[in-house]
Amino acid sequence: QQQVKQSPQSLIVQKGGISIINCAYENTAFDYFPWYQQFPGKGPALLIAIRPDVSEKKEGRFTISFNKSAKQFSLHIMDSQPGDSATYFCAANTGNQFYFGTGTSLTVIP
Amino acid sequence: DAGVIQSPRHEVTEMGQEVTLRCKPISGHNSLFWYRQTMMRGLELLIYFNNNVPIDDSGMPEDRFSAKMPNASFSTLKIQPSEPRDSAVYFCASSLMGQATYEQYFGPGTRLTVT
Repeated sequence: QQQVKQSPQSLIVQKGGISIINCAYENTAFDYFPWYQQFPGKGPALLIAIRPDVSEKKEGRFTISFNKSAKQFSLHIMDSQPGDSATYFCAANTGNQFYFGTGTSLTVIP
Repeated sequence: DAGVIQSPRHEVTEMGQEVTLRCKPISGHNSLFWYRQTMMRGLELLIYFNNNVPIDDSGMPEDRFSAKMPNASFSTLKIQPSEPRDSAVYFCASSLMGQATYEQYFGPGTRLTVT
């Protein structure tokens, strides 16, 4: 059973556009929702994270929007750049439970 | 800090052979994770250690897989015997549990090819 469902599987955006990746979860016990960024040949690296007591967190061009009632959260990349081309994973954690989404391959076209 | 160190970075072996992957977590971290990444199944958690003790190994696919953490600075993932379907990138990650966040720091991965 997929604990965290992520969409889309792939995304192509023009330079300067907005990239949006969505995730949904079922377990209301999750209390930490990170996004990881992975470049080819590298391990995933934490990009930004949010806890369910806030609805939005922004760090530079990256924003997480969190909807607790809908059990959904999304990553928005503003002014997308070719250097943002990577695979993005959402995740949900609580205690000893760690679940990752299936990943979204983002390509930003110059 | 050198980050999480994994070795080897690439491993090519024949079906039936034993494979051992190694990981050195970040100094001071008390939790260690082994993941497997494939195109078909994405990133899967295989096993998780806390203070060198295996906490959850429900992700280990079968008895051919085993993992050990003899001390806080070293862990191994062993596959015996290996099969072509084990071909994947294996990541080790470490974390400092007990903090407010669960941030995991991933190593560069070991790309395993079983022929």
